[in-house]
Amino acid sequence: DQQVKQNSPSLSVQEGRISILNCDYTNSMFDYFLWYKKYPAEGPTFLISISSIKDKNEDGRFTVFLNKSAKHLSLHIVPSQPGDSAVYFCAASAKTSYDKVIFGPGTSLSVIP
Amino acid sequence: KAGVTQTPRYLIKTRGQQVTLSCSPISGHRSVSWYQQTPGQGLQFLFEYFSETQRNKGNFPGRFSGRQFSNSRSEMNVSTLELGDSALYLCASSFDNNYGYTFGSGTRLTVV
Repeated sequence: DQQVKQNSPSLSVQEGRISILNCDYTNSMFDYFLWYKKYPAEGPTFLISISSIKDKNEDGRFTVFLNKSAKHLSLHIVPSQPGDSAVYFCAASAKTSYDKVIFGPGTSLSVIP
Repeated sequence: KAGVTQTPRYLIKTRGQQVTLSCSPISGHRSVSWYQQTPGQGLQFLFEYFSETQRNKGNFPGRFSGRQFSNSRSEMNVSTLELGDSALYLCASSFDNNYGYTFGSGTRLTVV
């Protein structure tokens, strides 16, 4: 059973527009959520995170929103740039699991110039 | 400072063989986690080591094992390789918890 789901395997967005990547989770014990970006032939790199005590965290062009009641989070990229084209992984962890981090299957974002 | 180093970058093995992958974490990082990445499955958690002890384990068969040395370097071993073990194996390190992961570039294992 997949505890972290990213139901869109791929997404295409025009340069300058908003990219919205979605993530759903099933484990109500998760209390920390992260987004990672991965380019081909490289390891994932940390992008942004959010604690369950917050519902929004912003870092430059990247904003993560958390809806705990719906067990849903989303990553907004505004404005989208061609260099943002990558695979984005949503991840979650729970203090009760010694901070084991569970990743979703990823969404491949293509930003079209 | 140097990043997380994984060796080798690429590996081709035959079914039934065993393989050992190596990971050198960022200096000062005591936690090392291993993930398997396959198309459509994302990053599947294998195990995590902290100060030479396995702190957490994923749902992989016993053919997958690991260890961590006193200098925090870690190895993972896969015995009796199967075709389905072909994947990118990623190692990530952090200082004291898993929130500040830094990933290596991975080892691409192909089993033929």
